[in-house]
Amino acid sequence: QSALTQPPSASGSPGQSVTISCTGTSSDVGGYNYVSWYQQHPGKAPKVMIYEVNKRPSGVPDRFSGSKSGNTASLTVSGLQVEDEADYYCSSYGGRNNLLFGGGTKLTVL
Amino acid sequence: EVQLVESGGGLVKPGGSLRLSCAASGFTFSSYSMNWVRQAPGKGLEWVSSTSRDSNYKYYGDSVKGRFTISRDNARDSLYLQMNSLRAEDTAVYYCTRGSDAFDIWGQGTMVTVSS
Repeated sequence: QSALTQPPSASGSPGQSVTISCTGTSSDVGGYNYVSWYQQHPGKAPKVMIYEVNKRPSGVPDRFSGSKSGNTASLTVSGLQVEDEADYYCSSYGGRNNLLFGGGTKLTVL
Repeated sequence: EVQLVESGGGLVKPGGSLRLSCAASGFTFSSYSMNWVRQAPGKGLEWVSSTSRDSNYKYYGDSVKGRFTISRDNARDSLYLQMNSLRAEDTAVYYCTRGSDAFDIWGQGTMVTVSS
């Protein structure tokens, strides 16, 4: 199965909101509510920010939110802060005991 | 503190083998599915393999199926990845992760370089 499709880059100014999309198919994103989002700073391990489409682990600011419509999931970061600058990856259960990741989106806070 | 610590990475020639280990601490290891995820230099994340809590179920990505074997020892709170017939495209940082549909704990990663 192919990786999920994410835009390579996104940007916003401090205080603004930005949305990153993650497009799959009806066999993965559209077929299951098992979409997660990970934040990765340079040289660091990824950190889960959203799981099961729109659930936030404890400790993740409520500025981060997730949603899904059809075969596309989205991560919205509101009230952008400098420390939000990082790479973001989506993932989805792909059926047949397979997990897919997106190609990643580099978020720049201008 | 909940922690995963990988080890065993290094430089290996194409066709060679390597065994990665992941030591878990701070949580009940036997209660969680565990996984390996890798990241090639400058590239994105790729799911490699998963094992259920009791090792009854093991799953692999297409790119490693038949070459890699995941295992765990719940008595030792440890996860392993036996990698055989290594290829240049297996060069990556390998992360040990906890969870089933979402990975909530990640190790710091161990680098595997396949080169002659």
